[in-house]
Amino acid sequence: DAGVTQSPTHLIKTRGQQVTLRCSPKSGHDTVSWYQQALGQGPQFIFQYYEEEERQRGNFPDRFSGHQFPNYSSELNVNALLLGDSALYLCASSLGTRLAVDNEQFFGPGTRLTVL
Amino acid sequence: QQQVKQSPQSLIVQKGGISIINCAYENTAFDYFPWYQQFPGKGPALLIAIRPDVSEKKEGRFTISFNKSAKQFSLHIMDSQPGDSATYFCAASGGGTSYGKLTFGQGTILTVHP
Repeated sequence: DAGVTQSPTHLIKTRGQQVTLRCSPKSGHDTVSWYQQALGQGPQFIFQYYEEEERQRGNFPDRFSGHQFPNYSSELNVNALLLGDSALYLCASSLGTRLAVDNEQFFGPGTRLTVL
Repeated sequence: QQQVKQSPQSLIVQKGGISIINCAYENTAFDYFPWYQQFPGKGPALLIAIRPDVSEKKEGRFTISFNKSAKQFSLHIMDSQPGDSATYFCAASGGGTSYGKLTFGQGTILTVHP
């Protein structure tokens, strides 16, 4: 049973550029959440996708956007990169319903983004 | 706004000892409290979780204690092993449309000496 997979593993960009990160959820899961983890900190919630729609969003600017595909995989896009966007970006998958989501979330290995 | 406070920031324990990590939360709407273990270069892995209808949950060497009135919960690792050396995060979620939005503590770096 494949767990949550993310690509790429590492990425180096320069300020002002745009980046796209990808995530495939655990088999049987339909909900994808994205988190940003700065060095030495706990993960911070960015947003969550269910049924191809953004269901809820954390305190992140509009430069952060996402998408969910019919096969439940997801992308995270960040525009106009800033030095402060350097972090580990984590994808977590879970099983959702229209009203709520099973709280149990499984995380992928993350994508390490470095902005120079 | 920090809603989950975790302590200590770091912890050193001898092999066979008990590791205790504490968390406190503010949002009374939280109704799910997981603990995650993270090794360097890896994503967080779910260790054990509890809901507020029970005061304690045990899985192997790991136990969560939950105090709803104090809005606190803790992780106890019994018979700590060097392989337990990792960063541990408490988290919380719940409350209407916030289901699935995990709010994490700052993390505790656990080192278990052989």
